[in-house]
Amino acid sequence: DQQVKQNSPSLSVQEGRISILNCDYTNSMFDYFLWYKKYPAEGPTFLISISSIKDKNEDGRFTVFLNKSAKHLSLHIVPSQPGDSAVYFCAAVGYNNNDMRFGAGTRLTVKP
Amino acid sequence: NAGVTQTPKFQVLKTGQSMTLQCAQDMNHNSMYWYRQDPGMGLRLIYYSASEGTTDKGEVPNGYNVSRLNKREFSLRLESAAPSQTSVYFCASRIPLGEQYFGPGTRLTVT
Repeated sequence: DQQVKQNSPSLSVQEGRISILNCDYTNSMFDYFLWYKKYPAEGPTFLISISSIKDKNEDGRFTVFLNKSAKHLSLHIVPSQPGDSAVYFCAAVGYNNNDMRFGAGTRLTVKP
Repeated sequence: NAGVTQTPKFQVLKTGQSMTLQCAQDMNHNSMYWYRQDPGMGLRLIYYSASEGTTDKGEVPNGYNVSRLNKREFSLRLESAAPSQTSVYFCASRIPLGEQYFGPGTRLTVT
């Protein structure tokens, strides 16, 4: 069963606007969450993470929000740029655990 | 540092053939992983190794075997390839309690 879910296969936004990518999880043992970005024909690259002791983590244009009660996290990209166009994966893992699970991904297209 | 390397980059197999996908990392990470990526399914964990000498099953281990040869290398073996194993395979290593670093992937087609 899919323990990490990204229900939007694709998202299109205009350059300069905000992109919001969503992720839900079912396993309450997850306590560390990550976002990865993937370009075609390349491996995923790490973008930003958040621990369950926080509800927000910011790194430049990227902010991740965590709502533990709803088992939901989101990635905000502000402002969006055409170079942000890629597939974004949400991932989750339990503390001191190595079983990291990924969502199905959301393809973001940022239009100039 | 090369990071995570995978060989081969591309492979075509006939049903029933066997092959081993190789992965190596030079970052001295303890944990290593094998994932497959399929359209609409995202990255699904096949096997992982928390440290040298240990391996554990992930979501989709059937039809695969792994070997953690040493701290650097983690190989994935298909004993009898099936068309359902057509996919892109990614190897990754992970810093303790942190993020993973991925290799460039192996595109495998089974006919």
